[in-house]
Amino acid sequence: AQRVTQPEKLLSVFKGAPVELKCNYSYSGSPELFWYVQYSRQRLQLLLRHISRESIKGFTADLNKGETSFHLKKPFAQEEDSAMYYCALRGSSNTGKLIFGQGTTLQVKP
Amino acid sequence: DAGVIQSPRHEVTEMGQEVTLRCKPISGHNSLFWYRQTMMRGLELLIYFNNNVPIDDSGMPEDRFSAKMPNASFSTLKIQPSEPRDSAVYFCASSLEGRAGNTIYFGEGSWLTVV
Repeated sequence: AQRVTQPEKLLSVFKGAPVELKCNYSYSGSPELFWYVQYSRQRLQLLLRHISRESIKGFTADLNKGETSFHLKKPFAQEEDSAMYYCALRGSSNTGKLIFGQGTTLQVKP
Repeated sequence: DAGVIQSPRHEVTEMGQEVTLRCKPISGHNSLFWYRQTMMRGLELLIYFNNNVPIDDSGMPEDRFSAKMPNASFSTLKIQPSEPRDSAVYFCASSLEGRAGNTIYFGEGSWLTVV
């Protein structure tokens, strides 16, 4: 079964501190992994995808197939990073649909 | 492109009433998704269309929920009769399936409150 687990509902850090939002997945094939961000009362926006191996707004995420993880990291958090972050998986059969984790609220305090 | 457009943005209705949510996907996209977001359950996929055909409706909660996609530029999600537990944000999303690395784009959501 496909499953995405984000163990933390809330992560609170001070501005300038490093951030790591955890994501683990369960899938028997080769999935595509994504991070979406949702700022207060706005639409979900794609932040990162593992196949792009890019850095967006200072965030990076590396797919670790051995640990089945796709943790989101940023070395220095900013207040404007405060949002809900969702990790998502799409199976290799490319049916198109995304399976989301429960989401983690990141709160960056001044 | 204006992105995925949903209406209404906000709806407050009484229990038992019919609710219809509407979605216009991004022009040229061939896949459309309806998701429901609640505090308790996060984001749940309700139904997924490809080329206007429902592919996976396993997430539709019960018979009170129905979704249609009569053409490539319009979809509806209907709840009849509505219940307070249906209160949630309903997101529509679309993508161009078949391309490697295709991205799913979300609308701004329809905030439904059933009292």
